[in-house]
Amino acid sequence: QVQLQESGPGLVKPSETLSLTCTVSGGSIRSYYWSWIRQPAGKGLEWIGRMHSTGSTNYNPSLKSRLTLSVDTSKNHFSLKLSSVTAADTAVYYCARDQGSGNFDYWGQGTLVTVSS
Amino acid sequence: DIQMTQSPSSLSASVGDRVTITCRASQSISTYLNWYQQKPGKAPRLLIYAASSLQSGVPSRFSGSGSGTDFTLTISSLLPEDFATYYCQQSYSPLTWTFGQGTKVEIK
Repeated sequence: QVQLQESGPGLVKPSETLSLTCTVSGGSIRSYYWSWIRQPAGKGLEWIGRMHSTGSTNYNPSLKSRLTLSVDTSKNHFSLKLSSVTAADTAVYYCARDQGSGNFDYWGQGTLVTVSS
Repeated sequence: DIQMTQSPSSLSASVGDRVTITCRASQSISTYLNWYQQKPGKAPRLLIYAASSLQSGVPSRFSGSGSGTDFTLTISSLLPEDFATYYCQQSYSPLTWTFGQGTKVEIK
């Protein structure tokens, strides 16, 4: 059974960089696309971006200028960096596996990131 | 961006009811439409992919239909564990995938 676990700081100061890692267990990170999705409290879901184990990426255009996704196949994990954060970036951040054609079959439990001084 | 609009935003229903949620895309997305269920404090769960394919392990009371711009999710007979928020998601364009705003199914 594939499991995903997000990790990273729960509090980030405005203008700094938000960094999260998603560790995959129970399966290989290879040969799949992996996405980040976020959800502000009480609101809907926003797709952030995705990357393949080969390093290929797609970013949400609204975040592209601040976003970097990377993968470490040796550690079976992938990472997100979002720079110059503001309060609008406060949300629960999920990582998820794309089982094919952009649908997400496995999700992490989510991690709350708050942007505040 | 392709905009996804769900209706209704919320509904009240009783156990045993047949429930239908609709999702409309701002342009044709063929059958690149997925449905998720989310319970409070939990990650979304994939129910339906490619408009009408039932995800492994999902009960058969859930079904999806539609193509182009109009889609529906149907729960044939509502169970207590089905009270949740449901989201549609388009995966037509790899540049930006978007979700609907959600439909909250509440107990009447």
